[in-house]
Amino acid sequence: DTGVSQDPRHKITKRGQNVTFRCDPISEHNRLYWYRQTLGQGPEFLTYFQNEAQLEKSRLLSDRFSAERPKGSFSTLEIQRTEQGDSAMYLCASSSRGQGKLGEQYFGPGTRLTVT
Amino acid sequence: QKEVEQNSGPLSVPEGAIASLNCTYSDRGSQSFFWYRQYSGKSPELIMFIYSNGDKEDGRFTAQLNKASQYVSLLIRDSQPSDSATYLCAVYQGGKLIFGQGTELSVKP
Repeated sequence: DTGVSQDPRHKITKRGQNVTFRCDPISEHNRLYWYRQTLGQGPEFLTYFQNEAQLEKSRLLSDRFSAERPKGSFSTLEIQRTEQGDSAMYLCASSSRGQGKLGEQYFGPGTRLTVT
Repeated sequence: QKEVEQNSGPLSVPEGAIASLNCTYSDRGSQSFFWYRQYSGKSPELIMFIYSNGDKEDGRFTAQLNKASQYVSLLIRDSQPSDSATYLCAVYQGGKLIFGQGTELSVKP
């Protein structure tokens, strides 16, 4: 296993710009998750995919956020018209298809977004 | 009431002591529980999971689950300075993990 990878690791952008993050899950994992974490808080769920289907999107996620997993492998998370409140660590995780293993999620290194 | 609650700490223990980290959850139907360790500036790392009432041991770590009390705990025996980190409790609900805010543990040499 090469683990979950994310790119870029750091992103600094100006308010109003669009940004896109990429996540490559562990190869045999069919579920992929996006979370957001701010300082002093636990990760907060954003959305998740089973294969290429987006199964749930958090009500906290505004319309400026969109995620895709077009071929059921890597995923992208796009934030349009960034705001300073979007500054956070964006975490990707993946889990195996095995029954009972869906909650065993393995995280990538994260993308730290700073909006100036 | 938050769905998953942890004492934010910091919890400070001397090297070699037992560190006890606690977590409560609100959804009585929850079935799967996880502990993640997160070093400063890094992403969460899965260290323990527990599905059944009772204790589960893995090396120096013991996870304890009491579904009747809606309580999960993590014990770290023979604490080492390298255990200093934030420990996140997570509950699996409806396809996603719900995290507590984390407890910061500091192990003093």
